[in-house]
Amino acid sequence: AQSVTQLGSHVSVSEGALVLLRCNYSSSVPPYLFWYVQYPNQGLQLLLKYTSAATLVKGINGFEAEFKKSETSFHLTKPSAHMSDAAEYFCAVTPLRAGGGNKLTFGTGTQLKVEL
Amino acid sequence: ETGVTQSPTHLIKTRGQQVTLRCSSQSGHNTVSWYQQALGQGPQFIFQYYREEENGRGNFPPRFSGLQFPNYSSELNVNALELDDSALYLCASSLSGGDTEAFFGQGTRLTVV
Repeated sequence: AQSVTQLGSHVSVSEGALVLLRCNYSSSVPPYLFWYVQYPNQGLQLLLKYTSAATLVKGINGFEAEFKKSETSFHLTKPSAHMSDAAEYFCAVTPLRAGGGNKLTFGTGTQLKVEL
Repeated sequence: ETGVTQSPTHLIKTRGQQVTLRCSSQSGHNTVSWYQQALGQGPQFIFQYYREEENGRGNFPPRFSGLQFPNYSSELNVNALELDDSALYLCASSLSGGDTEAFFGQGTRLTVV
């Protein structure tokens, strides 16, 4: 079964500092990988996705992630944190399978805090 | 705005009761998935419906059931509610295909007392 592991349930950065949220996946073949963001009392919004095209994926709000097969990683980064980035971030994986939409397996999430 | 709407937004039920949650998918999407998100956890896949047929199920007991209608809206039914069923229930709609974006609703917060 595919799974993702998010290292660090809480990450705190200063405004303007680099954001790095870690995600490692477990799969016998490279899957599709996603990063979602969840603001309080809201659903999830897609930040970016990896679907076996370019290994460096750019998303919304200045976020990007790099797929590294050798490290089975898909870490999320942003060069300069903004207060509005404070939220919970989820890494997710779905198998390469035809028929029906993606069936996402989520990590346990990383709560990002941005301090002045 | 994602276009996925869920109702109700909040619900309180008593242990042993039954509940129905509803989801209106984004226009043109033929696939609906349901997730359970317990407090402090990531969402867990319950099941998916594709063109009105169940198309995959997570590790949830049969008392969790669903329906998808011809207009692709969907229902999640939970029988014999247990305290551990208290969670945020999220609906996501998408097109078919594993690489497509899933659009999430804001969820239904279910509290079982």
